[in-house]
Amino acid sequence: TQLLEQSPQFLSIQEGENLTVYCNSSSVFSSLQWYRQEPGEGPVLLVTVVTGGEVKKLKRLTFQFGDARKDSSLHITAAQPGDTGLYLCAGRGSTLGRLYFGRGTQLTVWP
Amino acid sequence: EAGVVQSPRYKIIEKKQPVAFWCNPISGHNTLYWYLQNLGQGPELLIRYENEEAVDDSQLPKDRFSAERLKGVDSTLKIQPAELGDSAVYLCASSPYDRGGAYNEQFFGPGTRLTVL
Repeated sequence: TQLLEQSPQFLSIQEGENLTVYCNSSSVFSSLQWYRQEPGEGPVLLVTVVTGGEVKKLKRLTFQFGDARKDSSLHITAAQPGDTGLYLCAGRGSTLGRLYFGRGTQLTVWP
Repeated sequence: EAGVVQSPRYKIIEKKQPVAFWCNPISGHNTLYWYLQNLGQGPELLIRYENEEAVDDSQLPKDRFSAERLKGVDSTLKIQPAELGDSAVYLCASSPYDRGGAYNEQFFGPGTRLTVL
């Protein structure tokens, strides 16, 4: 059972386009993290959001935590081929602070 | 500074054979995690260590999986005997000290890709 549902599962776009990836759950998380994973590598942390309604920006990436701390979104402006990768959201649950990962969104940006 | 080191990177075995994976965390990191990542899925926690103590191992299938972190530094994950369904990527991660804080960052190794034939 996936605690965190990510959509879309796959996204293929042209360089310069904007996109949004969603991470939804029926559970409340104390914090939510976004990771990016490239082929043959482990995930790398991009951002942590903690407060309901929080918005964080990392260059062309904008992350938002839902008011109820159950969902999050990642928006990329003017995507570049270097943004290609698997984007994973992960929520920190109440069970020993365990991190629960979503299935991921595979993003491909074509030049 | 060196990242999390895992070996081997790839392993192919026949079912019912044993297999072991090794992880060396970032120097000074007290917390070590083993995750399982199936194709098309996100990582799932198998076990978490705080120094030598396994503080979260409820998701480790103990009938065939075992792990150890004897000196609180590097760790070994073993499967015996392996089954076809064990084919996956096994990721190791570490963090300075996971107190359950919101901003705890886990640093992942590149993983070991296991194929069971």
